Amino acid sequence: ILNVEQSPQSLHVQEGDSTNFTCSFPSSNFYALHWYRWETAKSPEALFVMTLNGDEKKKGRISATLNTKEGYSYLYIKGSQPEDSATYLCAFMTGNQFYFGTGTSLTVIP
Amino acid sequence: AAGVIQSPRHLIKEKRETATLKCYPIPRHDTVYWYQQGPGQDPQFLISFYEKMQSDKGSIPDRFSAQQFSDYHSELNMSSLELGDSALYFCANRKQGSSYEQYFGPGTRLTVT
Repeated sequence: ILNVEQSPQSLHVQEGDSTNFTCSFPSSNFYALHWYRWETAKSPEALFVMTLNGDEKKKGRISATLNTKEGYSYLYIKGSQPEDSATYLCAFMTGNQFYFGTGTSLTVIP
Repeated sequence: AAGVIQSPRHLIKEKRETATLKCYPIPRHDTVYWYQQGPGQDPQFLISFYEKMQSDKGSIPDRFSAQQFSDYHSELNMSSLELGDSALYFCANRKQGSSYEQYFGPGTRLTVT
């Protein structure tokens, strides 16, 4: 069983604050690292797919970096808004399998 | 754009009954994954198929089986249902040989009473 860990488990920030969280994964047999935004009772929404060491991706106020050699990825949210409140999941892809982290639950307080 | 369709969206069954969940893919997406998400838990990979053949197997109980058909839709068959099978079941599609992205369906919520 592969271990994919996310930290922190939950986070409360004020509107306008910037925040970041971490996904740690095995550094061997790496294919891709996926980030998802997931709201309760909805299916996960893909944010980024990262494949190369040193990858940096950005979508609006959200960005992510990848370090495959040390096995971690950071997700950054700049100027958090209440609509950013959700659980952010990372998934480590090896071969044809995905292993999900436990998620970081973000609450943005207006 | 067409998305992944799952049916039914909600299903209530009694213990020891059977259930069949269906997943209809995005056109030309030939790989399907099934996930189970229990209350308060992260998604657990169950099984995947590529070109109608099983490609990977995760934590799928022996009471469950799945298949992918010639039109790439997939069915997850669950027998001898137990209370612990109550969960949200997602399928996701991917197109082999293109990007690594997988697209999730809206999920089927199964409640076993």
